[in-house]
Amino acid sequence: GAGVSQSPSNKVTEKGKDVELRCDPISGHTALYWYRQSLGQGLEFLIYFQGNSAPDKSGLPSDRFSAERTGGSVSTLTIQRTQQEDSAVYLCASSLDPGAGTEAFFGQGTRLTVV
Amino acid sequence: AQSVTQLDSQVPVFEEAPVELRCNYSSSVSVYLFWYVQYPNQGLQLLLKYLSGSTLVKGINGFEAEFNKSQTSFHLRKPSVHISDTAEYFCAAAGGTSYGKLTFGQGTILTVHP
Repeated sequence: GAGVSQSPSNKVTEKGKDVELRCDPISGHTALYWYRQSLGQGLEFLIYFQGNSAPDKSGLPSDRFSAERTGGSVSTLTIQRTQQEDSAVYLCASSLDPGAGTEAFFGQGTRLTVV
Repeated sequence: AQSVTQLDSQVPVFEEAPVELRCNYSSSVSVYLFWYVQYPNQGLQLLLKYLSGSTLVKGINGFEAEFNKSQTSFHLRKPSVHISDTAEYFCAAAGGTSYGKLTFGQGTILTVHP
C-alpha cells in the first residue's frame, strides 16, 4: 500500500499485560513519529525517529513506554504493564524530509483499550 | 519550546456560512505551520501548510490560512462550508531545534448544521 499502515487497528488488553503496536511507514520516508490521541488531550507527541540519529524520546510518558525502528523502516511501540490510563488511539506518521517542510502522513491508528 | 493554541474547542456553523478556526503559536524562531483535518474514525489528513513566502496559503477543499508573524497566528478560513466539512481540525507547528517534531494544538471540532 501507499500509505502508513498500523496494526492492529484495535487492541483490548488486560491491565498489567504488555502490548506491541506496529507501524509500517511510507517507503523511503526517513522520519517516523508516534503520537497518542486521548479524549480531551489532543495529540500528544511520544517519540520521533529521523534516519540514523538518536530518537527524540522526550514525549514518552514513563519508562513503561519504549519504541524501536528496525532497519530504518518498521517501528514498534511497546507498552509494558499497561494501565487504564494508557487507553487511547496511538497514531504513527512518517515524513520524507521534515527539515524541508514535507508533511507528515498519518496512519489510521491503533485503538488501545486497557480493561 | 514551542506551543500551539487553538482558541475554540468547538465551532458550530450553518451550511454555506463562512468559518474561521483560530490558531496561535509561540516560538522564538521560524516555524513551519500546518493544518490537519480528521474526519470521524479516520486518520489525519493535511489541509495546507506554510513554510515561507506568501502569507496566504491555499489548501484542499476550499480552505485557506493566513500566516501573521506579528500576531503569531495561523487562522484557517473557508468562505462557505458544507455538511461534509464536519470534522476535527488540528493546527500544528514544527521548528526551532527540531523541525521534525510536530507540536499540535488541542483541536477544534467544526460542526456544520443544515
